[in-house]
Amino acid sequence: KQEVTQIPAALSVPEGENLVLNCSFTDSAIYNLQWFRQDPGKGLTSLLLIQSSQREQTSGRLNASLDKSSGRSTLYIAASQPGDSATYLCAVRLGTDKLIFGTGTRLQVFP
Amino acid sequence: DTGVSQDPRHKITKRGQNVTFRCDPISEHNRLYWYRQTLGQGPEFLTYFQNEAQLEKSRLLSDRFSAERPKGSFSTLEIQRTEQGDSAMYLCASSLEGYAYEQYFGPGTRLTVT
Repeated sequence: KQEVTQIPAALSVPEGENLVLNCSFTDSAIYNLQWFRQDPGKGLTSLLLIQSSQREQTSGRLNASLDKSSGRSTLYIAASQPGDSATYLCAVRLGTDKLIFGTGTRLQVFP
Repeated sequence: DTGVSQDPRHKITKRGQNVTFRCDPISEHNRLYWYRQTLGQGPEFLTYFQNEAQLEKSRLLSDRFSAERPKGSFSTLEIQRTEQGDSAMYLCASSLEGYAYEQYFGPGTRLTVT
């Protein structure tokens, strides 16, 4: 059974710091991995999608990497801003097309 | 492109009542998914459709839950005889088959059962 774990569960940093959020999964037979952002009480916003054949994806200040063989992905946020405060979720897509989510990392960036 | 929309955004109901939620996917997307999220947890898969066909249902979807997508466009999720444990955020997502299968989520429906 696929399990997805995210570490740390919560993170509080001053503005300007570079951050690394971690995601690990138990079964490497995934099709892709998505990183999402969720603001309190809101839906999910897709940030990056990495196909199983890819090693990384970049969008602006965000960079996500994928190491399928070790079952790990990282989300790197450069020069963090207070507007980055949110919960970040990673999810792996299995062959049946459903997403399996981690429990998220709650990020607070203070000025 | 108006994105995925869900209605209502909030629903408060008494235990034992029936509720129905609606999801409108991105217009050209043929796949539609329902997830449930409780406080402090990641979303959990409930069911998904390709066009009007329901392809998979989670064991979380008890016989009190039913989902439909009658013409392959919008979908409804009905919960009968609601219980307090049904209180959660119900999220809908859609994707286009064959294009990375990236799932786009709606704003969710927050259900509170009193």
